[in-house]
Amino acid sequence: QVQLQESGPGLVKPSETLSLTCAVSGYSISSGYYWGWIRQPPGKGLEWIGTVYHSGSTYYNPSLRSRVTISVDTSKNQLSLRLISVTAADTAVYYCARQISLAVGTAWGQGTLVTVSS
Amino acid sequence: QSVLTQPPSASGTPGQRVTISCSGSSSNIGSNAVNWYQQLPGTAPKLLIYTTNQRPSGVPDRFSGSKSGTSASLAISGLQSEDEADYYCAAWDDSLKGVEFGGGTKLTVL
Repeated sequence: QVQLQESGPGLVKPSETLSLTCAVSGYSISSGYYWGWIRQPPGKGLEWIGTVYHSGSTYYNPSLRSRVTISVDTSKNQLSLRLISVTAADTAVYYCARQISLAVGTAWGQGTLVTVSS
Repeated sequence: QSVLTQPPSASGTPGQRVTISCSGSSSNIGSNAVNWYQQLPGTAPKLLIYTTNQRPSGVPDRFSGSKSGTSASLAISGLQSEDEADYYCAAWDDSLKGVEFGGGTKLTVL
């Protein structure tokens, strides 16, 4: 049974960089699947951030492409999210997910709240 | 705002059948599969329906999905109190070249 666990700072200052990792257990990332990040601002809906294929190919939300980097570290069996130049609008619960396609997340982490504030 | 439009709320009584709509366009629902997620309060989303009408293992057959043209629907039959949650549709958009989610529908079981 695959499990995903997000971790990272809960508070980031405006204009700085948000960095999160997602530890995967119960499945080897290098074996396959897509791995993605989705976020949800407090009280609002879901927004796809981007996805990385196990081979390293990446797919990003066009509205975030200039600021986001998603990568996998197969040696640590984890994926990472880096979002630069954050503003208050980036305050959200960030989820990582295993995906069978870009729009289909079959297993999700519990999510981690990141607040952008000085 | 979302390119996939859902009603903000829906409701029903136990045992009733309810449907939740998701309206899009030719570049998303009209040409790609639709997926549905259930989000119980305070929890991560859970995949409910994928590829328009497929249920992952463990999802009761009370949940079903369908699509016609540029609109899709999620139907829940035999409504139960534990179905009270937010429901989201999602699809790839060929024009925007990204995954789009609907704004979500809050289902209340009366």
